[in-house]
Amino acid sequence: GAVVSQHPSRVICKSGTSVKIECRSLDFQATTMFWYRQFPKQSLMLMATSNEGSKATYEQGVEKDKFLINHASLTLSTLTVTSAHPEDSSFYICSAFSLSGYTFGSGTRLTVV
Amino acid sequence: AQSVSQHNHHVILSEAASLELGCNYSYGGTVNLFWYVQYPGQHLQLLLKYFSGDPLVKGIKGFEAEFIKSKFSFNLRKPSVQWSDTAEYFCAVNARMDSSYKLIFGSGTRLLVRP
Repeated sequence: GAVVSQHPSRVICKSGTSVKIECRSLDFQATTMFWYRQFPKQSLMLMATSNEGSKATYEQGVEKDKFLINHASLTLSTLTVTSAHPEDSSFYICSAFSLSGYTFGSGTRLTVV
Repeated sequence: AQSVSQHNHHVILSEAASLELGCNYSYGGTVNLFWYVQYPGQHLQLLLKYFSGDPLVKGIKGFEAEFIKSKFSFNLRKPSVQWSDTAEYFCAVNARMDSSYKLIFGSGTRLLVRP
């Protein structure tokens, strides 16, 4: 079946620095990938839709300049949290759509100290 | 507003009890419906999905769900739960919004099964 690999699984960074999270589709091409954010004990909130070769589409209330998304190839999308602050600490999950349906990465737990 | 609603936030059951988790959505048009499970410390796993055809969908681990179009519902059921079913369950709807398809999740239901 379709596999989505997400790295890193955990990252701790200092406030004010930037963190890049990678999402790769391993055995299929994904023209569209999705980035979600999950706060503790809460649901997944769609942040943005990443489109290969074009600009990402952000959901209402998501800061485009803080959460930079790049989808330069059919198998890789990256989410960069810029100038991270403690309130950005969360669980970030990517997803890609294939013939098998939606496949999710294992998530990245970001802690900003 | 378009949304996915899960009315039960926390459910506690004893083993062998029957389970039904509610899910309602408010999107018009064609939708695809999903139930996902998230075990403690693990990532999302697909339980079952509905695209078309028989509205009663059977998934993994003995779960099933029924799509009732007139009620905009897709409730999850299991006749007899096990301790290992303790997890968080998410209903999700794939619908066309703002000229593209998006998968939107409900708020989740945390299930605790007591041995």
